[in-house]
Amino acid sequence: DVKVTQSSRYLVKRTGEKVFLECVQDMDHENMFWYRQDPGLGLRLIYFSYDVKMKEKGDIPEGYSVSREKKERFSLILESASTNQTSMYLCASSPPLAGADYEQYFGPGTRLTVT
Amino acid sequence: KQEVTQIPAALSVPEGENLVLNCSFTDSAIYNLQWFRQDPGKGLTSLLLIQSSQREQTSGRLNASLDKSSGRSTLYIAASQPGDSATYLCAVPSGGYNKLIFGAGTRLAVHP
Repeated sequence: DVKVTQSSRYLVKRTGEKVFLECVQDMDHENMFWYRQDPGLGLRLIYFSYDVKMKEKGDIPEGYSVSREKKERFSLILESASTNQTSMYLCASSPPLAGADYEQYFGPGTRLTVT
Repeated sequence: KQEVTQIPAALSVPEGENLVLNCSFTDSAIYNLQWFRQDPGKGLTSLLLIQSSQREQTSGRLNASLDKSSGRSTLYIAASQPGDSATYLCAVPSGGYNKLIFGAGTRLAVHP
């Protein structure tokens, strides 16, 4: 089975802190994604990566950066956490290229609270 | 721009009922459509993926259909159980690299 793991299930940080959210997948997938999920707004794509050291902005990249130094690991970085970044963060991975049978697999999520 | 809509937003039914959840999308040029389940406070679990060349997929009591020409998919749940209570999301890939566009979800409650 595909496994996507996230470093923390719950995280509480203070405003202005630098925050790292880690995601690891064990299926040798090229594509990895970071989404955030908020009530009433659904899931929104923050960043994605299609290869090591390659990244693309999603729909809401402001305030975030990412790092992908190894194929299996994709990190989301909040440079200076703010209260409006309190949210559920979901990591996902998928095989390369959009294709008919390519599924996207999700991790368990990290509930981040910024106070 | 692809948009995905799910109806109804919420559903509360007694145990044993057969259910239909609806998903519609505006751009029919999709590779596939994926249905997910999300329990409160948890991540997404993939339920079914229907390829664009298929009309339906089945897994246990779940059956998903796809009509690309009309931009619609339905998720049918047979003989619902309280353990089926969750939010169900549909999503379609858009813009390459398998980036997903999600619907807002249907929140299902099945009571004994």
